Amino acid sequence: DAGVTQSPTHLIKTRGQHVTLRCSPISGHKSVSWYQQVLGQGPQFIFQYYEKEERGRGNFPDRFSARQFPNYSSELNVNALLLGDSALYLCASSLFASGGASRETQYFGPGTRLLVL
Amino acid sequence: KQEVTQIPAALSVPEGENLVLNCSFTDSAIYNLQWFRQDPGKGLTSLLLIQSSQREQTSGRLNASLDKSSGRSTLYIAASQPGDSATYLCAVSQGGSEKLVFGKGTKLTVNP
Repeated sequence: DAGVTQSPTHLIKTRGQHVTLRCSPISGHKSVSWYQQVLGQGPQFIFQYYEKEERGRGNFPDRFSARQFPNYSSELNVNALLLGDSALYLCASSLFASGGASRETQYFGPGTRLLVL
Repeated sequence: KQEVTQIPAALSVPEGENLVLNCSFTDSAIYNLQWFRQDPGKGLTSLLLIQSSQREQTSGRLNASLDKSSGRSTLYIAASQPGDSATYLCAVSQGGSEKLVFGKGTKLTVNP
């Protein structure tokens, strides 16, 4: 089975632009989470979506938004890009159990590397 | 607020050595703890998942332990190989969502 896939792999944008990142979870996984990893740091949680509903949100500004589609794929949108948004954006999927925290392994995709100039 | 710390930040060892990576967390109310491996510029590969009710998990040359009451976990790597060179991250999950709180990682270099 295919793992978590993300597109594009690399992206270069300029300040003030908008970007859309895409993620396809492992088949059968209904939960998708997004993380931002700045160079030299651990990943920071941005969002979790389960069954097309937001189930968790990290400490990120409203310029960051996301959605999940009926096929459980997801998009992360970032508006008004800043230089500080340059990072590796990671998507993870899992068999999240509705109503509680997951006890399952989260599987990460290869990431999208975003550079804002 | 949960905080995860990993010590050391970097470690260089000769091939064949056994080694221990450390992870500590400030809030013991966790659901599970995961260890990940990350190669340069790549995504994360899950190595081991320890549920809060468990004390340890083993996979091949890897053994992870969890002491929830003291807020500590260790990842033991036996007979290290150059292919083990990577950054190792630990992360804890708490209630309500899939949010993982990560440490900054330990960068491991195994020299041939």
